[in-house]
Amino acid sequence: EPEVTQTPSHQVTQMGQEVILRCVPISNHLYFYWYRQILGQKVEFLVSFYNNEISEKSEIFDDQFSVERPDGSNFTLKIRSTKLEDSAMYFCASRTSATNEKLFFGSGTQLSVL
Amino acid sequence: AQSVTQLGSHVSVSEGALVLLRCNYSSSVPPYLFWYVQYPNQGLQLLLKYTSAATLVKGINGFEAEFKKSETSFHLTKPSAHMSDAAEYFCAVSGTADKLIFGTGTRLQVFP
Repeated sequence: EPEVTQTPSHQVTQMGQEVILRCVPISNHLYFYWYRQILGQKVEFLVSFYNNEISEKSEIFDDQFSVERPDGSNFTLKIRSTKLEDSAMYFCASRTSATNEKLFFGSGTQLSVL
Repeated sequence: AQSVTQLGSHVSVSEGALVLLRCNYSSSVPPYLFWYVQYPNQGLQLLLKYTSAATLVKGINGFEAEFKKSETSFHLTKPSAHMSDAAEYFCAVSGTADKLIFGTGTRLQVFP
């Protein structure tokens, strides 16, 4: 089965530093997402992206966050100035069409902000 | 607004026993409901989904779930647990918005 690939699997950074989390969605997919899971809490929606623009974002996705699809294959999440509370597992996901089709998730990037 | 509640953060069963993982939902529109599984160090994998067709939904690995509107429930079951079923299970709901709302997850342990 095709896979969504995320790199790195673990990222450690200092508070205030910028981080970029990388994802390679499945090649024929058109809709892309970032979710995160703080340890012990539920998986939370961050942002959805379609046709090179954000289609929806949550309250968590403030000005410190941005997403980009720079080259037609990668899909990145940037956090400009990390905070301790950004420590979480970040999941990238993609699917072919918007509504209620199977969402394919990557294995996640564990971000630790010290 | 939509939400799901998973009752029981941990469930332990013996191999061969019935697995029952509970999920209740709240939705102001007809919901679409999902169960995802997460094995250690892996991403979330879709087990099954309900999209207003049959109320009893069969998924992969012998799992099934029944949509009960009167009880606002979508519990996940498997008649006979296997050691390989040990994982984290997430219930999720979506409606008109293009996003999933997840529950807090239930960790299933299977003992020999």
